[in-house]
Amino acid sequence: DARVTQTPRHKVTEMGQEVTMRCQPILGHNTVFWYRQTMMQGLELLAYFRNRAPLDDSGMPKDRFSAEMPDATLATLKIQPSEPRDSAVYFCASGLGLPNQPQHFGDGTRLSIL
Amino acid sequence: RKEVEQDPGPFNVPEGATVAFNCTYSNSASQSFFWYRQDCRKEPKLLMSVYSSGNEDGRFTAQLNRASQYISLLIRDSKLSDSATYLCVVNILGNTPLVFGKGTRLSVIA
Repeated sequence: DARVTQTPRHKVTEMGQEVTMRCQPILGHNTVFWYRQTMMQGLELLAYFRNRAPLDDSGMPKDRFSAEMPDATLATLKIQPSEPRDSAVYFCASGLGLPNQPQHFGDGTRLSIL
Repeated sequence: RKEVEQDPGPFNVPEGATVAFNCTYSNSASQSFFWYRQDCRKEPKLLMSVYSSGNEDGRFTAQLNRASQYISLLIRDSKLSDSATYLCVVNILGNTPLVFGKGTRLSVIA
């Protein structure tokens, strides 16, 4: 089965450090999404791309978060500098971008900022 | 008003019970509807799509009422393995982000 691959699975680091999360979407999917999940807020959209072009990153704190898609097989989400409130699970999802087609999630990156 | 609203639960039911979850959505332009399932410390996974005429997949039945902007999921003959959080999900256009409810937690008890 084709899967969305995310790395790392877990990350623990001190506040102020740069964090980079990576995502390999399912081959052939043209839309890629970054979500963040916390107990309090549930799943929140941070950013998404269609055909590698960023379409909406209004969910991200712009001063510290950045999302890029350097090629069709790699999406990155960076936090610099990281803060304790960034601790969450970050999910990448990809989809075909067609009506009634679901999005498929990676395993997530569990991030803890100390 | 939240875009997708669900009863957070938890629903605690015995094995074999029938349980129903409801969900309402605010954007009448929504076109696609799904139920996702999320196990503890795992990613959300598609359970089933929801079609206008209603659809069934084994013990699971999903229904959509566009006029009332209401979606439901019925689980018959609950199994212990059905214990999870069920997320109601709405999509306006196929290539736009999914909008998730906060989920309804189900615990099936032996």
